[in-house]
Amino acid sequence: EAGVTQFPSHSVIEKGQTVTLRCDPISGHDNLYWYRRVMGKEIKFLLHFVKESKQDESGMPNNRFLAERTGGTYSTLKVQPAELEDSGVYFCASSQGWGTVNEKLFFGSGTQLSVL
Amino acid sequence: GNSVTQMEGPVTLSEEAFLTINCTYTATGYPSLFWYVQYPGEGLQLLLKATKADDKGSNKGFEATYRKETTSFHLEKGSVQVSDSAVYFCAFVSNFGNEKLTFGTGTRLTIIP
Repeated sequence: EAGVTQFPSHSVIEKGQTVTLRCDPISGHDNLYWYRRVMGKEIKFLLHFVKESKQDESGMPNNRFLAERTGGTYSTLKVQPAELEDSGVYFCASSQGWGTVNEKLFFGSGTQLSVL
Repeated sequence: GNSVTQMEGPVTLSEEAFLTINCTYTATGYPSLFWYVQYPGEGLQLLLKATKADDKGSNKGFEATYRKETTSFHLEKGSVQVSDSAVYFCAFVSNFGNEKLTFGTGTRLTIIP
């Protein structure tokens, strides 16, 4: 069974540019989450999709970040324009059912974003 | 607000040493507690969890007990192996219906032969 796939694995861009990160969850997983770890600090929640709907986007830092999950399959996270403080590792996770406690979350290996 | 404080690393131990990684949390209500591990080049994976006070989570020789009175969930292993080298994250989910994991900063563990 394929796991959660994220690409690119690394992205280096200049401040002001646009970057789009992609996450392919495990097939059949309705729940998809985005998290990020900035500067070696704690991993923080960004948002949660259930199928194509945004269930919770309270962690999105500002309107430079746009997440989509058209068709309820893969998801993209676009940062436009990128700022220096956006550098970090962006993780995607998916689960089949609802509930972080009782459902197993599968994480991707992350996208390392560096904004110069 | 909600937060997790965990032992700062990096931690370096010799093989077969005893491991403790401290974790305390600040949360409203009755959270469920987790330890996640990230091996080099891989995504995070659930190591163990505990959903109510005094529960003990265990997996791969690791254990952690949910201590509500001290709001702690310390990770322990009696005899570490080189293959345990990884970054360990303590986390919780509030039981108020949201599904967000609140993580600590992670502790990098290196085991030397």
